Amino acid sequence: KAGVTQTPRYLIKTRGQQVTLSCSPISGHRSVSWYQQTPGQGLQFLFEYFSETQRNKGNFPGRFSGRQFSNSRSEMNVSTLELGDSALYLCASSLVLITDTQYFGPGTRLTVL
Amino acid sequence: GENVEQHPSTLSVQEGDSAVIKCTYSDSASNYFPWYKQELGKGPQLIIDIRSNVGEKKDQRIAVTLNKTAKHFSLHITETQPEDSAVYFCAASRGSGNTPLVFGKGTRLSVIA
Repeated sequence: KAGVTQTPRYLIKTRGQQVTLSCSPISGHRSVSWYQQTPGQGLQFLFEYFSETQRNKGNFPGRFSGRQFSNSRSEMNVSTLELGDSALYLCASSLVLITDTQYFGPGTRLTVL
Repeated sequence: GENVEQHPSTLSVQEGDSAVIKCTYSDSASNYFPWYKQELGKGPQLIIDIRSNVGEKKDQRIAVTLNKTAKHFSLHITETQPEDSAVYFCAASRGSGNTPLVFGKGTRLSVIA
C-alpha cells in the first residue's frame, strides 16, 4: 500500500507570494491533517479535514487555509508569505478519527526569501 | 489547552545502553499518548502508543509507561543500536473527543557505536 505523498518536496518563494501544497493520503484514509514543523516551535497543528470539511483548526492566522477533495486528497494554501513561514509542512492521514494512527508524509520544505 | 513538555532535548548513549525520554502533559482528560520517530529527511513515524486504560506497553526493545496521576509518560529503548539515532516526539490528546495531537518539542537521540 502506498504511503502518504506530498508535492512538491521543496519550494522557494519570496515574501508576499502565495503557495499551494498538495497531499495524497493513504488509500482508504479519510482524515487528513496538516502540521508546520520548525526548529523553534516543533510540530504545530494547522488543521484537519474529513469528508471535504474542516473538522479541527489550530491557532494559525487566516493566511493559512486548506481544502479536501472528494477523493480525500488535500491541499493547503498560504497567502502573503512571510519569512517566518519558512518551515517543513507535514501532512498526515488516518482512517477516520484524528486519533486513529496517523501516517505522515515526507513533508514539503518551504523556504521564503 | 493541552501542553506537552519533553525532556531531554538531546541525549547521547553508547550502543547497547538504554535510553529514556520523558514527557509531561497538562490536560487531565488526555488519554491517548503516541510516540513518533523522525529520521533525517523523512516524516515522523509512529513507533508505539498507549491509551490511558493501561500503564505500560512493550514492543520488542521499545516500551512506554504512563502515570496518569502524575501526568507523565516515558519512552524506554533498550539495547540501543546506531539505527535508533533520530528525533523522537511524544504527543497527547483526548482520543475519545477526536481532538488534535499536541506534540512535545522532540528529543534528538544519538547512539554512539
